Amino acid sequence: NAGVTQTPKFQVLKTGQSMTLQCAQDMNHNSMYWYRQDPGMGLRLIYYSASEGTTDKGEVPNGYNVSRLNKREFSLRLESAAPSQTSVYFCASSEGSGGYGYGYTFGSGTRLTVV
Amino acid sequence: QKEVEQNSGPLSVPEGAIASLNCTYSDRGSQSFFWYRQYSGKSPELIMSIYSNGDKEDGRFTAQLNKASQYVSLLIRDSQPSDSATYLCAVPRYSSASKIIFGSGTRLSIRP
Repeated sequence: NAGVTQTPKFQVLKTGQSMTLQCAQDMNHNSMYWYRQDPGMGLRLIYYSASEGTTDKGEVPNGYNVSRLNKREFSLRLESAAPSQTSVYFCASSEGSGGYGYGYTFGSGTRLTVV
Repeated sequence: QKEVEQNSGPLSVPEGAIASLNCTYSDRGSQSFFWYRQYSGKSPELIMSIYSNGDKEDGRFTAQLNKASQYVSLLIRDSQPSDSATYLCAVPRYSSASKIIFGSGTRLSIRP
């Protein structure tokens, strides 16, 4: 099925460990995003890639890095996980920027717990 | 002031009634506005977008936009139990078209 695929779906990390969250879309979308969702705080933008070859910081980039590997794939890396990074992470993609009227398609999410 | 504000709810509406969800935003330059629905434990899905002042209808959903008042709303007619979910308002920043700011969501419960 067409859409956004995220892996893994669940992960438990120890403080200080590193990991990479993978995201791939097969809709030929230009823009891709990483959000985190915490109770009562809504979705907050971590990083985004407006087009292949570009990445930019969102609202909460500290502690994260991203790579736009090609048009389909956009990965999020936690170099040294902290308990404050316990959250649900969503990858999303869109044909163009939201400011120009393009809505997002979200992946199913990764539930990350850092102990 | 939050950039995008929503009443967290829960909003309880009887089945068959109209559910009214509200959202205010602070960026006067914003041009596009979105409503997403998120079922518990699932990812958000886009249900409505609106760009011009006035109403936009799609089935049982109507989005309303008033840019002068910086207010956008979502009406759900003939509410069904399957409409029980959290509804997220999303507004791109005018200064950065790729940065969509989400409200914290309104939890809607349709009671039979």
